[in-house]
Amino acid sequence: SQQGEEDPQALSIQEGENATMNCSYKTSINNLQWYRQNSGRGLVHLILIRSNEREKHSGRLRVTLDTSKKSSSLLITASRAADTASYFCATDPRDDKIIFGKGTRLHILP
Amino acid sequence: DAGVTQSPTHLIKTRGQQVTLRCSPISGHKSVSWYQQVLGQGPQFIFQYYEKEERGRGNFPDRFSARQFPNYSSELNVNALLLGDSALYLCASSLTGEGSPLHFGNGTRLTVT
Repeated sequence: SQQGEEDPQALSIQEGENATMNCSYKTSINNLQWYRQNSGRGLVHLILIRSNEREKHSGRLRVTLDTSKKSSSLLITASRAADTASYFCATDPRDDKIIFGKGTRLHILP
Repeated sequence: DAGVTQSPTHLIKTRGQQVTLRCSPISGHKSVSWYQQVLGQGPQFIFQYYEKEERGRGNFPDRFSARQFPNYSSELNVNALLLGDSALYLCASSLTGEGSPLHFGNGTRLTVT
């Protein structure tokens, strides 16, 4: 079963705009991670935020975590065509398995 | 450093057959995890191994088994294949397995006919 659930399921925006996707999860976690997957390939780790952190930045990525609401958001600023991919949140429940959500499919329009 | 490598990249099998998928982790990584990804869904956790010991198992039937070798490479075996086993099988390695970032291979695309 999936621990996290991303929202929206799909998102289309114009190149240059910002993209925001959200993740909700069910149980307590050690950390939350975001991954990107280009069509049919392996996932690429983007960023990890620990349960005692509220916000983290990496380049054009900004991740927030609200443990009281069991939710996280990923913001991609100044989107590019190369950002077209599926994005997954992954949680690390205390039993140490990393569990993925169903993903958000992001499409950047030229 | 070479990334995570998986073999084969594609595989076609018939219902009832058995399949073995292979994974070589990044050098220095001691943990290997296996995931099944059906089209349009997120990866589903199958197994995690660390230092050749099974550390975690997902909600998969006993037809699925795995092992990790002394060089930290791993095999995933699936017996008595069903049509529903058709999926992308992903292997990921990490330094410790304790919530550390996963490094994925490009997967093995298994088709069961």
